[in-house]
Amino acid sequence: EAQVTQNPRYLITVTGKKLTVTCSQNMNHEYMSWYRQDPGLGLRQIYYSMNVEVTDKGDVPEGYKVSRKEKRNFPLILESPSPNQTSLYFCASSLIAGGPQETQYFGPGTRLLVL
Amino acid sequence: AQSVAQPEDQVNVAEGNPLTVKCTYSVSGNPYLFWYVQYPNRGLQFLLKYITGDNLVKGSYGFEAEFNKSQTSFHLKKPSALVSDSALYFCAVRPFSGGYNKLIFGAGTRLAVHP
Repeated sequence: EAQVTQNPRYLITVTGKKLTVTCSQNMNHEYMSWYRQDPGLGLRQIYYSMNVEVTDKGDVPEGYKVSRKEKRNFPLILESPSPNQTSLYFCASSLIAGGPQETQYFGPGTRLLVL
Repeated sequence: AQSVAQPEDQVNVAEGNPLTVKCTYSVSGNPYLFWYVQYPNRGLQFLLKYITGDNLVKGSYGFEAEFNKSQTSFHLKKPSALVSDSALYFCAVRPFSGGYNKLIFGAGTRLAVHP
């Protein structure tokens, strides 16, 4: 089944404790992206990647890091989480060959609480 | 600034009645337009998109959307609502400027369909 998976689905942590949220897709998509969803704000893009070793900032990159060492994986790293990073996080992926009209497919989300 | 507006936080509809979820956008050029749905504790699911051509786009689960260039709107519609349509709906726009395949999301509209 074609899908985007994220782990963990739920995470409670404390301020300053480094964490990683994994994202993996099995559709051979070149493009991957991370969003955060906050009430009343919709989804905002954190980082995106056009392909292996190619990443760039989105609208709200502060406090986050990403890496793209393999095509299928795009982990989101919070080096020193803070309470304002409490949010619902979504990973998404899409093909590039069809151009920007390609549909993005989303993972199930990771709900993060930083105390 | 580029933006997407969903003017209603919540829409209430009786089962069997037609429904409309509104979306207007403010971006330059001719953007691509998308609707996604989020069921409780689930990720975003793609419903439909407008790229070019016929202004009425048909999508999954009996939904359709009408693109109106002069009003910069992309309202989501369904002729007969089901209780199972109750969910959070997001309108998204892919502008031509900015990061590749970046989506700008509205804040979301919660649809409640009552028996």
